[in-house]
Formats: sequence, C-alpha cells, structure tokens
Amino acid sequence: DGGITQSPKYLFRKEGQNVTLSCEQNLNHDAMYWYRQDPGQGLRLIYYSQIVNDFQKGDIAEGYSVSREKKESFPLTVTSAQKNPTAFYLCASKGQGANTEAFFGQGTRLTVV
Amino acid sequence: AQKITQTQPGMFVQEKEAVTLDCTYDTSDQSYGLFWYKQPSSGEMIFLIYQGSYDEQNATEGRYSLNFQKARKSANLVISASQLGDSAMYFCAMRAFDNYGQNFVFGPGTRLSVLP
Repeated sequence: DGGITQSPKYLFRKEGQNVTLSCEQNLNHDAMYWYRQDPGQGLRLIYYSQIVNDFQKGDIAEGYSVSREKKESFPLTVTSAQKNPTAFYLCASKGQGANTEAFFGQGTRLTVV
Repeated sequence: AQKITQTQPGMFVQEKEAVTLDCTYDTSDQSYGLFWYKQPSSGEMIFLIYQGSYDEQNATEGRYSLNFQKARKSANLVISASQLGDSAMYFCAMRAFDNYGQNFVFGPGTRLSVLP
C-alpha cells in the first residue's frame, strides 16, 4: 500500500543531543513537508522540499535541518540549537496539481528528557 | 500572507445530530484552495474535503460538506449525522504559495466531542 512512514513513533532525547526523524514515502510525490504541532495548537511549517536536492525553510526552521537526497526520503534533524524541541512532528507529501491534498504520516512524538 | 482562523476551541454535539465547525481565512490571492483535515487521538491527519475558490458548488464528501461563503471568506465544515468516531481535532487549511513553491497554512483547530 502507498503511503508515508514516519519512524520512530516515540522518541526520547537528552538535552544537547541531535536526533533525526525519519520520513519515507512511496507515493512518488515530489513535494514533502515537515510540520511541528504543539499541544492544543495547529501545525507550523518547519521545512519543505519541492524536488530532490532542494528545500526551503518554513516559519520555524531555526534549530532544525533537513536533507533530500532521494525522492522518497526527507529526514528531519532536531539539533541541540532547538530550544524547545518537545513536540509532535508530522511529515507530509503532496502530488502534482495545486488542488491536491497533502498526505500525512503517523507522526513522531519527541520528548526531551 | 495567508491566515486561517478557527474560533471554536471545542465543540460538543449529540450523536446523530449535525454540527458546523467554523473557519475563516485571509488571503490576497484570487485563486486559492481550502482543505479540512481530521486528527483523531492517534495523531494522523486524515484529509476530509477540498474547496477551490472558483468552484461554483459547495464541496460534499459523504457526511461532510463545506459551506463556502467567498464574500465573507468563510469555509465552514458541516458534519451531518454525527457519529462517536467523529470525535477528534479538526483543522482548516489553505494552500499557500511563496517564491519557492506551495505549502499549507493551518488553523489552530477545533476539538469536536460527540456525545452518546
């Protein structure tokens, strides 16, 4: 079945450590996105990519980094520079056409301990 | 810049009744699209319905319909015959274009609770 897979579902990190969240899609979508969701709030855009080897900062990119070496993969690294990394992270992808919706993964809940 | 406002943090509805979740938007674009997503407690985002700014008819998908009032910049989601499984967070979103490409802007969401 086609879809987006995020791993792990739960992640614990010690302060000062970098951590990488995985996002893989087999939908053959060009565009991929990372969003952050804090309790009781909407989604905020961290980074997005329209094509392989290219990506753009979103509204809250500070303390995060991404890569897009393959069409299927868009990993997000939460660096030690991110001051408040505890949150729910959602990865999405989108097919061709302005009217098409974004497909989301199951999310990764990151907790800094 | 695009902005989505959802003024109802929480809503309650009796099972089998209809409920309307409000969404207003702000954009200077002539062409735009509006999306509604459902987020159950598991966390995944489930696409429900889409409305394009040039669509003459209000969008419908099964029990979901969109009350689109362009002049008022509102795109309210109507859920008919509510079911217990409809209890979830609901997000209104708009597609946004910048110099790089397209992304999505989300509202803060409304938590819907369906009562038996």
